[in-house]
Order: sequence, then C-alpha cells, then structure tokens
Amino acid sequence: GAVVSQHPSWVICKSGTSVKIECRSLDFQATTMFWYRQFPKQSLMLMATSNEGSKATYEQGVEKDKFLINHASLTLSTLTVTSAHPEDSSFYICSARPPGQSFPYSGNTIYFGEGSWLTVV
Amino acid sequence: GENVEQHPSTLSVQEGDSAVIKCTYSDSASNYFPWYKQELGKGPQLIIDIRSNVGEKKDQRIAVTLNKTAKHFSLHITETQPEDSAVYFCAAHSGSARQLTFGSGTQLTVLP
Repeated sequence: GAVVSQHPSWVICKSGTSVKIECRSLDFQATTMFWYRQFPKQSLMLMATSNEGSKATYEQGVEKDKFLINHASLTLSTLTVTSAHPEDSSFYICSARPPGQSFPYSGNTIYFGEGSWLTVV
Repeated sequence: GENVEQHPSTLSVQEGDSAVIKCTYSDSASNYFPWYKQELGKGPQLIIDIRSNVGEKKDQRIAVTLNKTAKHFSLHITETQPEDSAVYFCAAHSGSARQLTFGSGTQLTVLP
C-alpha cells in the first residue's frame, strides 16, 4: 500500500485564488519531504525541499512567495499555490524518505505520493 | 552536480519479449540507484533499487545491473506484459545530495 499520500488528487481553481495540497507520510516520520512539478511527457522537476520545523529550501527559479511550503509536523507537508494562474496548471508530486533506521524501510529509499493534478481556469 | 542520462526515450516491444533501459550518471559519489514506474496520471512507484556495493539485483521479472566503473546502470524487464506499459525513470543519489537526480524517462509500450 501507499506510504506517502497526497490530497487532493485533483483540483480545479479559479485564476487568482490559492490552493493547498497536502502530503502525508503514512508509516513513518519524515523530517524531509520533497515537492516536484511535472509537465506532460517530461521528467520530474524538483521545486523545493521541505524541512520539518524550518524553512523550505527552494530550487533556483522557483518563486518561494508563490509556492508556499509548510512542514508543520513529522508526517505532513503542505504546498500552497498562491494567486494561481493558468500557467501553474500542472501535476504536483511529493516524496518522502524514511529515517535510515525505520524498519522495514531502508535508508535512501524515497517514496512518492500519488500526485495532485492542478488545473487553474 | 549529478547528471543522469537515460536511453531510449521510447521503447516498444512485443509481449513476452525483454526490455532494457539504460542510464548513465556523472557523480562517482552516487551510491543509490532506484527505478520508478509511472503510469499515466499517477505518481512514480518504486519498482527496484540497487546500492553501489551490489552489481546486480533481481526481483521476479525485473532486474537491475550496475557498473560503477563505467557509471552505468540498467533496468531489465523479462517476459513483458501489457501492464508493464508505462514511463520508467531512473535516478541517482549520493550521500551528500539531499535529493534524487532523475533521468528523462522512457515510455515503454508492450504490444499485445
């Protein structure tokens, strides 16, 4: 079964509004989660690294004020797309890595959520 | 930083045949190499991984090989089935890196 869950799986919002996507680790505590964006027929593009209890680390070119990330607990990270525009429409995916000693998981293994489709109209 | 190249970008095989997808990486410090399968509209699913202290790993019809000297690793799928059709991504991770570096993906189509 899934070990990382995202919600919602798809969302449609109006241009100018904000939308929040949740990422939860189900069987382990994740001090670090990752947010990706994927365009059709392309690879995953890392947007930011979410750190529990501290500020997220954004990749170059990603607007931190537009893509707000909050890692409020060891099992939940949220991505909020603020003032969404049609060009923000995309597939957003999160991932998490269990701690190295978290049986039955082994270190380095990274699990992905099911993804969230965002359509801005 | 790490750079991962993946080939081919598309691959069509007849049901029952084998499929091979190859990746190369640039950072000799990389020590973990997972493969993900992504079906349309879904998140990537880990199907197999290999660490740098192992040369080959097999799980039923899926195997991964690693050549550290040449910085190559490959995914082998035998006895392919239509449900194997998906996009496959390789990735590399080093102990010093915080995240995975992905290849560009391979669209595998298994023809019935």
